[in-house]
Amino acid sequence: DTEVTQTPKHLVMGMTNKKSLKCEQHMGHRAMYWYKQKAKKPPELMFVYSYEKLSINESVPSRFSPECPNSSLLNLHLHALQPEDSALYLCASSQELSYGYTFGSGTRLTVV
Amino acid sequence: SQQGEEDPQALSIQEGENATMNCSYKTSINNLQWYRQNSGRGLVHLILIRSNEREKHSGRLRVTLDTSKKSSSLLITASRAADTASYFCATGANNLFFGTGTRLTVIP
Repeated sequence: DTEVTQTPKHLVMGMTNKKSLKCEQHMGHRAMYWYKQKAKKPPELMFVYSYEKLSINESVPSRFSPECPNSSLLNLHLHALQPEDSALYLCASSQELSYGYTFGSGTRLTVV
Repeated sequence: SQQGEEDPQALSIQEGENATMNCSYKTSINNLQWYRQNSGRGLVHLILIRSNEREKHSGRLRVTLDTSKKSSSLLITASRAADTASYFCATGANNLFFGTGTRLTVIP
């Protein structure tokens, strides 16, 4: 299996909702990442997990809460989001930090 | 910001022509990577060039790296309509920061 699987592909949520994005890989990669991408912009790093521990948080607001239950799974819990948080959320993994990322196809999030 | 810059921002060429994209970055690097993104989808890793390498090839892709100028270029030869996508360079030590990207359109 050489894929990173993200679910759901699309999500519409209200500002008072709580939802979660899921990411799964079975390549044995020990580093996993969350990126946020707005239209016509490059991906922006949000979080880095290395060996299931949070190693980098790029000053992301607390309404985004990452979780790494095991080496294959990465979640992003969402609560009280704002319309400006609408974006494509990308998960990626790599064997080593910063080497050859494999990306999922993303979750298109719309906050209404 | 560690983000690199790419130029041109957009490039439109005829099928069969070559496409060249340039990337400039700010900090010293261990490696530089190029990724491709089809509209609204995930990124695909194309090629990685290490800081001690000057040129690397993969199929129709040729990447060069000049660490003295902190710049890299991606050449796609004999372009195809299916090459239409955004291309990003990326650098970083413990995580990748992506450049601003070049939107390539290949006209059939």
